[in-house]
Amino acid sequence: EIVMTQSPGTLSVSPGERATLSCRASQSVNSNLAWYQQKPGHGQAPRLLIYGASTRATGIPARFSGSGSGTEFTLTISSLQSEDFAVYYCQQYNNWPRTFGQGTKVEIK
Amino acid sequence: EVQLLESGGGLVQPGGSLRLSCAASGFTFSNYAMSWVRQAPGKGLEWVSLIGASGTITHYAESVKGRFTISRDNSKNTLYMQMNSLRAGDTAVYYCAKDQSVTTGDMDVWGLGTTVTVSS
Repeated sequence: EIVMTQSPGTLSVSPGERATLSCRASQSVNSNLAWYQQKPGHGQAPRLLIYGASTRATGIPARFSGSGSGTEFTLTISSLQSEDFAVYYCQQYNNWPRTFGQGTKVEIK
Repeated sequence: EVQLLESGGGLVQPGGSLRLSCAASGFTFSNYAMSWVRQAPGKGLEWVSLIGASGTITHYAESVKGRFTISRDNSKNTLYMQMNSLRAGDTAVYYCAKDQSVTTGDMDVWGLGTTVTVSS
């Protein structure tokens, strides 16, 4: 099983600042990586942000960008808005089973 | 509108069984692979199982293999998960999710989840 490790666990950022989240795979997943956002609260389903490591999903603002391939990936939020404070997960789909990282919480500084 | 609606969650004793359903609408259900993903209280996301578009291919996480069975009825646009021999560790919100396409494994549509609690 491929282990996905996200860092940091929590990121404290002020509105308007840049946030950089990392995701590392225990072995190469090529570009078969997605990022999701999940807001706190009951009934908040994850939302797909990025797939193929760097392609924004439909309707995702341009301030979200993804990069990387192989084992090292980055999600960057260029200028944090109030609605961006949430937990972010990476997920690989190169191998079975699909696996998620443990999440990075982006909180208001 | 593309939508997934889970049902069937509830309180069950250890060793018991439960069947989850996920009703799909707004897209051609039979064209897409579907997954179940769960989230234990206060924890992260865990992929549980996938079934291919036609229903002939299935994959499972090791943690549920042999106890859970995924299935689908394309005539009813519905995904299922039969969960047997339930354990306390299976307590979670269970989401169904749709694969975005046949060539990628990202999940672009998610339901709101149904809660399963395994406790005596």
